Amino acid sequence: AQTVTQSQPEMSVQEAETVTLSCTYDTSESDYYLFWYKQPPSRQMILVIRQEAYKQQNATENRFSVNFQKAAKSFSLKISDSQLGDAAMYFCAYKGSGGSNYKLTFGKGTLLTVNP
Amino acid sequence: NAGVTQTPKFRILKIGQSMTLQCTQDMNHNYMYWYRQDPGMGLKLIYYSVGAGITDKGEVPNGYNVSRSTTEDFPLRLELAAPSQTSVYFCASSARAYTGELFFGEGSRLTVL
Repeated sequence: AQTVTQSQPEMSVQEAETVTLSCTYDTSESDYYLFWYKQPPSRQMILVIRQEAYKQQNATENRFSVNFQKAAKSFSLKISDSQLGDAAMYFCAYKGSGGSNYKLTFGKGTLLTVNP
Repeated sequence: NAGVTQTPKFRILKIGQSMTLQCTQDMNHNYMYWYRQDPGMGLKLIYYSVGAGITDKGEVPNGYNVSRSTTEDFPLRLELAAPSQTSVYFCASSARAYTGELFFGEGSRLTVL
């Protein structure tokens, strides 16, 4: 079974600085998808960024980028120019690519605090 | 655009009571999911549906039931509530299963005393 590990329960960053959140996963599949979801204090979870395992290029969405290391099964999220609105719980998630695979496996989350 | 709407947002139940968490989405998504989130843990999948009339168990289905009579609605029923079901419940939907992009509701905090 796939597992997703986020080893940093909490992280903090100064406003305008850069922070990296770590995620590792375990899988025997060669094709899959990885995600970072953000859960602000209001609790509605939203997708931040997605990475397809078959793509070599790291995904980027504005100030958010990933460092995807397939061989190491590592998928970290870098937030540049951190803003107060980035404060949230961040979840790393994995999804297999099989036709009947509908399930996302989530890590336990990293609580990010942004200090003014 | 409402997206995914869950009701109620908060509820306190006594042990042994039953209740239904409602979930509605207006995006015409075929795929819908119920997750629970316990403190310090990630989300665990309870049930999911790939379309009207089709449901299946996730990781932690015991103590719950679902139905999917329409594309829009995916209610989650708790029968004989137990303290172990104290959690925050999230409903989500997606247009395509393979992309993994889920749209979540705001959650329902349930306490069983």
